[in-house]
Amino acid sequence: GAGVSQSPSNKVTEKGKDVELRCDPISGHTALYWYRQSLGQGLEFLIYFQGNSAPDKSGLPSDRFSAERTGGSVSTLTIQRTQQEDSAVYLCASSAGVGGLYGYTFGSGTRLTVV
Amino acid sequence: GESVGLHLPTLSVQEGDNSIINCAYSNSASDYFIWYKQESGKGPQFIIDIRSNMDKRQGQRVTVLLNKTVKHLSLQIAATQPGDSAVYFCAETMIFGTPLVFGKGTRLSVIA
Repeated sequence: GAGVSQSPSNKVTEKGKDVELRCDPISGHTALYWYRQSLGQGLEFLIYFQGNSAPDKSGLPSDRFSAERTGGSVSTLTIQRTQQEDSAVYLCASSAGVGGLYGYTFGSGTRLTVV
Repeated sequence: GESVGLHLPTLSVQEGDNSIINCAYSNSASDYFIWYKQESGKGPQFIIDIRSNMDKRQGQRVTVLLNKTVKHLSLQIAATQPGDSAVYFCAETMIFGTPLVFGKGTRLSVIA
């Protein structure tokens, strides 16, 4: 597609439930990133994928968070046993390669609310 | 869309005035810096970038200044317009490798 697409745009879930957030990157972009943005905070890096390399999971806040990228394209971020502190906007970005110069294109995000 | 940062520092400027948004970055090894603009309900959008071998770069109505000695970036917006109202983030990284690391952001509010 023309841009990075994320779904759903909004998600309300009950505490303890699992959620899946989806990201469709720009076609041909080899790198894909997940960030989390809480109220009053900047963007917090979670995980990134580059081609067929093992993902960099260094930003995942707990083992309740996981992500996969199938076929080098679509990615799913899964949060298990959601907690209220997981409420945030989850942003996905893609780029033509890893490294600042390739530039990131962000999606509009998924707003997750845990009640 | 929901506001992305209700508790961010806020800069209010009169339409037509110049705006200066400041950012302190954390990693002295960073060699590439970017300013992003984020409007409500949208993802961040690229505004302007600068490499560490430069101390100033100009775009259309925007200028970025880099002071590596004190690890400080600033974004200057000339003749600020209502459409400039948004949250602005600086980000740092290295040209080859590592994800972007974002600052906390500043909300710019333009008074018409």
